Amino acid sequence: KNEVEQSPQNLTAQEGEFITINCSYSVGISALHWLQQHPGGGIVSLFMLSSGKKKHGRLIATINIQEKHSSLHITASHPRDSAVYICAVDGGGADGLTFGKGTHLIIQP
Amino acid sequence: DTGVSQNPRHKITKRGQNVTFRCDPISEHNRLYWYRQTLGQGPEFLTYFQNEAQLEKSRLLSDRFSAERPKGSFSTLEIQRTEQGDSAMYLCASARGETQYFGPGTRLLVL
Repeated sequence: KNEVEQSPQNLTAQEGEFITINCSYSVGISALHWLQQHPGGGIVSLFMLSSGKKKHGRLIATINIQEKHSSLHITASHPRDSAVYICAVDGGGADGLTFGKGTHLIIQP
Repeated sequence: DTGVSQNPRHKITKRGQNVTFRCDPISEHNRLYWYRQTLGQGPEFLTYFQNEAQLEKSRLLSDRFSAERPKGSFSTLEIQRTEQGDSAMYLCASARGETQYFGPGTRLLVL
């Protein structure tokens, strides 16, 4: 069973700061997902990665397959980025995704 | 809005009652997943359908839980004889390729 660890669990930062959230996993995967969950439960997929780096606007996600590690970066953070960010890995089988516990991010104005 | 809908959005029930949740996936998606998320935790996999076939069930899914996807479109998740420990957010996701699209979830509270 894949163990997915995220750090930090909680992060409070000031508007404009550069944010990094880390995810590590224990077993090889076919893909890694970064998800965003707002209060009330809705989950939105931000990135799916199997190698390298992806960028959408102010969000950047990287993955190092050899190190079994991924990072999510937010540049020029804004209060609307406040949410729970969840890392989830896909082992390639039929048993769905394995999720980390999430990082609760608060961006203060 | 991802295109995946779930009903009801909230359910409060007394312990021992049965509840049923519905998920309507994106229409061309052949894969459908159910997850459960408790407070402060990431979601946990419950079960997976490819079209109408239930291909995988987590050991989290006790005998009181049953899921169906009768025509390979919408899916239902039923919990019989609910217990307080069943209180959680129940999430549905659908996929055709590698990206799963999540519904808004059904929040269950068992009193």
